[in-house]
Amino acid sequence: AQRVTQPEKLLSVFKGAPVELKCNYSYSGSPELFWYVQYSRQRLQLLLRHISRESIKGFTADLNKGETSFHLKKPFAQEEDSAMYYCALSAPSNMLTFGGGTRLMVKP
Amino acid sequence: DAGVIQSPRHEVTEMGQEVTLRCKPISGHDYLFWYRQTMMRGLELLIYFNNNVPIDDSGMPEDRFSAKMPNASFSTLKIQPSEPRDSAVYFCASSSSPTSYEQYFGPGTRLTVT
Repeated sequence: AQRVTQPEKLLSVFKGAPVELKCNYSYSGSPELFWYVQYSRQRLQLLLRHISRESIKGFTADLNKGETSFHLKKPFAQEEDSAMYYCALSAPSNMLTFGGGTRLMVKP
Repeated sequence: DAGVIQSPRHEVTEMGQEVTLRCKPISGHDYLFWYRQTMMRGLELLIYFNNNVPIDDSGMPEDRFSAKMPNASFSTLKIQPSEPRDSAVYFCASSSSPTSYEQYFGPGTRLTVT
């Protein structure tokens, strides 16, 4: 069975500092990984997916199959990045398995 | 499209009462998911439907929980009887074909059982 682990429940950084939200997964097949974000009073929404290899709002995430990780990174955090972030893994049946989430707080 | 619609947005009820949460998926989406979000356990998948048929309900906590999807535009999640430990935010999400992995979430229903 697949599993997604986000070891940090809360991550607090200062504005302008680099940020890395950790995500590790376990899955026997070839994984599809995603980051979802929930801003205050907004819906949970897709931030980025590993297959797109895109940068969204300055965030990037690289799939490291050797370390079974999909960490989310941004070189310079902004206050508007404060939100709840969920790493998710997709199984072939279209189910998403979410990690426990990390609350990012960016302080001024 | 207004996106995924959930009602009510907030529900406060007493222990032992029946609670019904409602969801309207995005038109044309044939997958519908129910999730529960708590501080301790994060986001958990409870059940999901494909073309109105329940596919996997292994995440449903116990027999007090039931979900139905009578048609393509409506689903309910029922808790009977409710307990304080059911207090959480319940999300509904929908998606289109199996090759589209993006799920679109509703605003959630915050349930408080006293």
